[in-house]
Amino acid sequence: ILNVEQSPQSLHVQEGDSTNFTCSFPSSNFYALHWYRWETAKSPEALFVMTLNGDEKKKGRISATLNTKEGYSYLYIKGSQPEDSATYLCASPRNSGNTPLVFGKGTRLSVIA
Amino acid sequence: EAGVTQFPSHSVIEKGQTVTLRCDPISGHDNLYWYRRVMGKEIKFLLHFVKESKQDESGMPNNRFLAERTGGTYSTLKVQPAELEDSGVYFCASSQQGLVGYTFGSGTRLTVV
Repeated sequence: ILNVEQSPQSLHVQEGDSTNFTCSFPSSNFYALHWYRWETAKSPEALFVMTLNGDEKKKGRISATLNTKEGYSYLYIKGSQPEDSATYLCASPRNSGNTPLVFGKGTRLSVIA
Repeated sequence: EAGVTQFPSHSVIEKGQTVTLRCDPISGHDNLYWYRRVMGKEIKFLLHFVKESKQDESGMPNNRFLAERTGGTYSTLKVQPAELEDSGVYFCASSQQGLVGYTFGSGTRLTVV
């Protein structure tokens, strides 16, 4: 059974602070790791898809790293802004191909102006 | 390109009533998925269609849930009769065969009272 864990569950930071959170997954039978940004009543927005050990990806002030050998991924936000407030979800597919995703519970980020 | 569209965005029904949710995937996406997020918990997989065929329905909670995708285009998810524990946000996602990446709709928030 594939379990995806995220920590912390919620996070409050001041505007301008940098922050990071973790996604953990089994290191065996790994296929890919997806990060999404989700605001209530909106579609989860795809941030990154990562597949290779050591992958690092960046999108503006947000970046992510992947360690498949130890089973974790970090998401970093540099210089947090109020508009970064959202729930950040990570997910991993059960198998290769277009198989369904298994999600973590998410990290709810609140950036205080 | 139009995204994944879900209708309605909100639905409030009484216990014992029937509700039908609709998802229109991105045109050309053979894969269509239904997920559900109950408050405070992770997004959980319900069902996967490939074109009009049910590829995996292992996540469907019980026989009160019926999903269809006639003609391999849009899909419906019917809950009959609805129970209180069915409340949550129902997401639909679609993906193109052979490509990594899933596009989500904005969800239907179902409240059963």
